[in-house]
Amino acid sequence: GENVEQHPSTLSVQEGDSAVIKCTYSDSASNYFPWYKQELGKRPQLIIDIRSNVGEKKDQRIAVTLNKTAKHFSLHITETQPEDSAVYFCAAPASNDYKLSFGAGTTVTVRA
Amino acid sequence: DAMVIQNPRYQVTQFGKPVTLSCSQTLNHNVMYWYQQKSSQAPKLLFHYYDKDFNNEADTPDNFQSRRPNTSFCFLDIRSPGLGDAAMYLCATSRVPGDGYTFGSGTRLTVV
Repeated sequence: GENVEQHPSTLSVQEGDSAVIKCTYSDSASNYFPWYKQELGKRPQLIIDIRSNVGEKKDQRIAVTLNKTAKHFSLHITETQPEDSAVYFCAAPASNDYKLSFGAGTTVTVRA
Repeated sequence: DAMVIQNPRYQVTQFGKPVTLSCSQTLNHNVMYWYQQKSSQAPKLLFHYYDKDFNNEADTPDNFQSRRPNTSFCFLDIRSPGLGDAAMYLCATSRVPGDGYTFGSGTRLTVV
């Protein structure tokens, strides 16, 4: 199956600064990379995803970049706000399978 | 307009007493997944259904079973809950294999 590693495990940023979370994956044929945000006690929610035919995707303050050669993808949050505080999970499927394997999560805290 | 609904939100069961968690969806998605999430950890896939086809993860304990009587409903049965089974159980759906997931709100299981 797919092995997904996520760093850092915790991230504290000042409001207004940027936050970057990076994930690496093992299966070079993986082609779909979603990011989920999970607030305390709530369900994970898809915030952005990218497929392997593009290198970058942006949605307002959130962007995801993909480097297929290096097998890593990153989440970028700009102009962070307190409501961005949550746990963020990256995920990827194995090439011969469609089930998502999740990274261990990053707890993001935005300090006011 | 809830799309993936899990009941109950909180479930307390006694050690060894069978318990069933339910998930329903209004999205008409073909694939339904059950994940177990323990505190501060990534969701871990237990099993999934692709239509009526059941797929068990190799490391899912025999204590866990699932049923999908129709497209809309999926159940997680824990035959003899142990203290180690206390966790958040998340149901997720995807329209087709390889699509992003929509998660339910989860059921937090406590074993006493």
